[in-house]
Amino acid sequence: AQKITQTQPGMFVQEKEAVTLDCTYDTSDQSYGLFWYKQPSSGEMIFLIYQGSYDEQNATEGRYSLNFQKARKSANLVISASQLGDSAMYFCAMRERGTSGTYKYIFGTGTRLKVLA
Amino acid sequence: SAVISQKPSRDICQRGTSLTIQCQVDSQVTMMFWYRQQPGQSLTLIATANQGSEATYESGFVIDKFPISRPNLTFSTLTVSNMSPEDSSIYLCSVGEVNYGYTFGSGTRLTVV
Repeated sequence: AQKITQTQPGMFVQEKEAVTLDCTYDTSDQSYGLFWYKQPSSGEMIFLIYQGSYDEQNATEGRYSLNFQKARKSANLVISASQLGDSAMYFCAMRERGTSGTYKYIFGTGTRLKVLA
Repeated sequence: SAVISQKPSRDICQRGTSLTIQCQVDSQVTMMFWYRQQPGQSLTLIATANQGSEATYESGFVIDKFPISRPNLTFSTLTVSNMSPEDSSIYLCSVGEVNYGYTFGSGTRLTVV
């Protein structure tokens, strides 16, 4: 079963508008972490925001906020006041403990965001 | 957060050859992770590299194909052996703390012809 689901392969948003990128997850762990990464066309992965499963408040980092709904197992990324430089691929990821006991990431398939001038 | 220097940034290789990718971290880290991102796909963990021990490989990846070295706490290499066009991908190393975002290298864009 897919553990991280991003149902939006592509999104458009007008510059200065807000946009929400969807992410749902599946885990039986009580303690887990959820992350969002940005990957520009250059290929590097840029960490944006983290939400712990026990965090009661939604995480925020500047223009990024994470809409964490634990009961629904969703961790949507909200980007406010979109900028042209926000155009990139966005990956949702979940930290889980692997069979060897080591923590590792599981990544979603990504959402390609295009900001329009 | 750590800074990672990953080399080469890109390469075009003949099938049947091997390429070694290097990651140098500016601080000592316990674990380093190697990922593959095939064209248009998400990231898949290849292996976790601990210093002083053999790497732990994920299902579908074997040491003969992707040998990893971890000679010290700041350096690791991943070799893609006996390459075929199916190995054309972006390869990324990463380090980080469990409850915080991992830092990724800038990636190696490999094309096998």
